[in-house]
Amino acid sequence: QSVLTQPPSVSGAPGQRVTISCVGSTSNIGAGYDVHWYQHLPGTAPKLLIYGNTNRPSGVPDRFSGSKSGTSASLAITGLQAEDEADYYCQSYDTNMYGPDVVFGGGTKLTVL
Amino acid sequence: EVQLVESGGNLVQPGGSVRLSCAASGLSVSSNYMTWVRQAPGKGLEWVSVIYTGGATYYADSVKGRFTISRDTGKNTVYLQMNSLTVEDTAVYYCARGARGDDNKLYFDYWGQGTPVTVSS
Repeated sequence: QSVLTQPPSVSGAPGQRVTISCVGSTSNIGAGYDVHWYQHLPGTAPKLLIYGNTNRPSGVPDRFSGSKSGTSASLAITGLQAEDEADYYCQSYDTNMYGPDVVFGGGTKLTVL
Repeated sequence: EVQLVESGGNLVQPGGSVRLSCAASGLSVSSNYMTWVRQAPGKGLEWVSVIYTGGATYYADSVKGRFTISRDTGKNTVYLQMNSLTVEDTAVYYCARGARGDDNKLYFDYWGQGTPVTVSS
């Protein structure tokens, strides 16, 4: 059970907009820690998509955008393309009873219909 | 261009050991926060360990006392020594470079392709 909760799956048709939520708590996202997003195709290296809640690394299309509010964050993908079909993970930092920790969401599988 | 290449993954029996390597090019492992992240079959990403530029090391609770992260600056390589392995350690292990965000915590901007470790009798 992940500290950050993501929907297991989302889907959309080509050209549509989809959003992926990442729900945390007051010990991680709500504590002010940044949220980062990764795209992962099985068998390949994960790719940084969004860092610092809203920033895109060089080379990432502006179809991808991130936001954060309170104890949650979201990844939005507009103009959905077939190549966007992948697993998406949010990542943040958590201070809990066991000590500080890097934490990932459980991942969301995006299907392009 | 930054490249991280993992190796050393293998089939190992429960209770056994394996050492993973992450050979880096385009960056210095001693000047960066080098991390291991794993993905068990059918599961999500799980942070495993990090070695800081100053040499401090940190581990996830699930591997503390069993795994050791280290680096060889001459070979520009990071290692993960994994002992007392259990079936729950079966995963693809990824090496990644950590970057500090505005909140002074890490995110991971360069990743390797991963190396698989299977723990089974």
